[in-house]
Amino acid sequence: NAGVIQTPRHKVTGKGQEATLWCEPISGHSAVFWYRQTIVQGLEFLTYFRNQAPIDDSGMPKERFSAQMPNQSHSTLKIQSTQPQDSAVYLCASSFLGGLYEQYFGPGTRLTVL
Amino acid sequence: GEKVEQHESTLSVREGDSAVINCTYTDTASSYFPWYKQEAGKSLHFVIDIRSNVDRKQSQRLIVLLDKKAKRFSLHITATQPEDSAIYFCAASMFLTNAYKVIFGKGTHLHVLP
Repeated sequence: NAGVIQTPRHKVTGKGQEATLWCEPISGHSAVFWYRQTIVQGLEFLTYFRNQAPIDDSGMPKERFSAQMPNQSHSTLKIQSTQPQDSAVYLCASSFLGGLYEQYFGPGTRLTVL
Repeated sequence: GEKVEQHESTLSVREGDSAVINCTYTDTASSYFPWYKQEAGKSLHFVIDIRSNVDRKQSQRLIVLLDKKAKRFSLHITATQPEDSAIYFCAASMFLTNAYKVIFGKGTHLHVLP
């Protein structure tokens, strides 16, 4: 079991460019979560899928951020027109059934917007 | 909105002593309380959890206590060791709208001093 896989591990973009982050959940897990972690804000919830369907995106900035889960083996987080304040570590986690079970976190993608 | 407050942002203990991290939550319907550990430069990983049908759970040197009346739960690390130094996150799962959502605390940076 490789655990949750996130690619790339590091990404540097220029202001205004697009960034796409990938997450491969653990096989058999039906829930996928995205979080953002910064020193200042700590761990922030972004969005949550269960059985590929979006369940809760209350943490997603309404503009520029979008997430999809086109199949059970991967999810993407896309940030359009990146800004320096988007710089953070983006964490993906999966769990067996959702909010009542432990989450397995990936290693994260460190996004730096210059 | 629903919140999880983690009371200690930083905690320092001497090696061999016990460390206690306290959290409170707002939703009386919360039923699942996991704890996660984040070592320097790494992602989060699950360490222990407790469900609302019990008030105490132990796994080796980790003890979790749950006081539903006070809406408070705590992580006790006994006989601390240098490798216990990390950021610890508490969380509570609560039912919001149409699914269980996990709300994380801000984290406690535990330093185990030699």
